[in-house]
Formats: sequence, structure tokens, C-alpha cells
Amino acid sequence: DAGITQSPRYKITETGRQVTLMCHQTWSHSYMFWYRQDLGHGLRLIYYSAAADITDKGEVPDGYVVSRSKTENFPLTLESATRSQTSVYFCASSDNGNHQPQHFGDGTRLSIL
Amino acid sequence: QKEVEQNSGPLSVPEGAIASLNCTYSDRGSQSFFWYRQYSGKSPELIMFIYSNGDKEDGRFTAQLNKASQYVSLLIRDSQPSDSATYLCAVKAGSARQLTFGSGTQLTVLP
Repeated sequence: DAGITQSPRYKITETGRQVTLMCHQTWSHSYMFWYRQDLGHGLRLIYYSAAADITDKGEVPDGYVVSRSKTENFPLTLESATRSQTSVYFCASSDNGNHQPQHFGDGTRLSIL
Repeated sequence: QKEVEQNSGPLSVPEGAIASLNCTYSDRGSQSFFWYRQYSGKSPELIMFIYSNGDKEDGRFTAQLNKASQYVSLLIRDSQPSDSATYLCAVKAGSARQLTFGSGTQLTVLP
């Protein structure tokens, strides 16, 4: 089915570990986004990508790394996880140039102990 | 001051009533305004966007924008229990390349 898929849906890890969250979309949308959602903060943009091999920082990029070698994939890596990165992470995509996420994945609930 | 502010609620309305959700923003150069709905435990979904002053209607939803007063509202007519969700307001400032989200208003429609 066409759509945007995130994996894993749930992840528990320890501080200092490297964690990669996967995001795959089947629409060939140009724009992809990574957000984190924490209570009281709404959605905050971590990184976004306008096309393959083009990425840019969002509001809260520290501690995260992204890559986009193919249009359909946009993985997010926490290089050395910290407790403050415990959150729900959403990947999103868009086919317009307005930097507005149109379609969201189901999210990854990440807990860092 | 937060860039985009919403009353966190919860806002409760009876079934069939009009639910009014409000959002204020601080950047006068903001150009684009969006409303997302998020059911508990689910991902956000885009339901409305508005760029110009005035009202924009889509079915039971009406978005209202007043740039002079720097607020945008979402009205839901004939509210249904299925409208119970958190509604997120998002704003794109004129010079920004990304959206800024409010923290959301939780709406409960009582049967």
C-alpha cells in the first residue's frame, strides 16, 4: 500500500547507544521531515529534506543525524542517545514547496533509560 | 512568549454545538496557517489551511484568519464525538522555511 512507514514503532534503549529510526514513503514526495513531539511542546522539527542528498536543520537538530541517499528513505540517527531524547518521533512527507508536512507516519515511541 | 499559542484545554462541547479553537501567533510576517487534527495515540493529519484574511470553509470546518489581530481560528459546526481530538495550529512565518506548531488544544465532544 502507498504511504509512509516508520520503524520500529516502539524502541527502548540505553543512554549512549546509537539508534536509527527508519522512514520510508512510496509516493516519491520531494519533501520529508522528522519531528519530535513532547508534552507541552507540540511538534518540533528536527531535520527536513527537500530532495535526495539535500538536508537541512530544523528547530532542534542537536544530537541527531539524517541522510537521504534515496528519495523514498529518510533515516534519523541518534548518535549517542540521551534521556532528553525520549519522545515520540514522526516522519512526514510533502509534495509541495511550502515546507508543510502533508502526510505523517504512525510514529516511533522511543524511550531512553 | 511562544511563537504560536493555543489554549491547551480541555475544551468540552456538547454534540451538535459549534466548537471554536483559537490560535495566536507572534510573527506579523506570517503567511500561511494550518490546522492539524491528532487523535490520541495517532499521528497528525492536515485538515485545513488558510493564507488570506477572512474565512475559508470546508464541510463542517471553517478556518478564520485575522492578520491584524494575529489570530487564526478553527470552527467545527455540528460537532460530533468523532471530532474529539487534539487540534494543532501551525504557522509559517514569512521568512521561515518551516512551520512552527502550537502545543495543541484538546477537544472533547460530549454525546
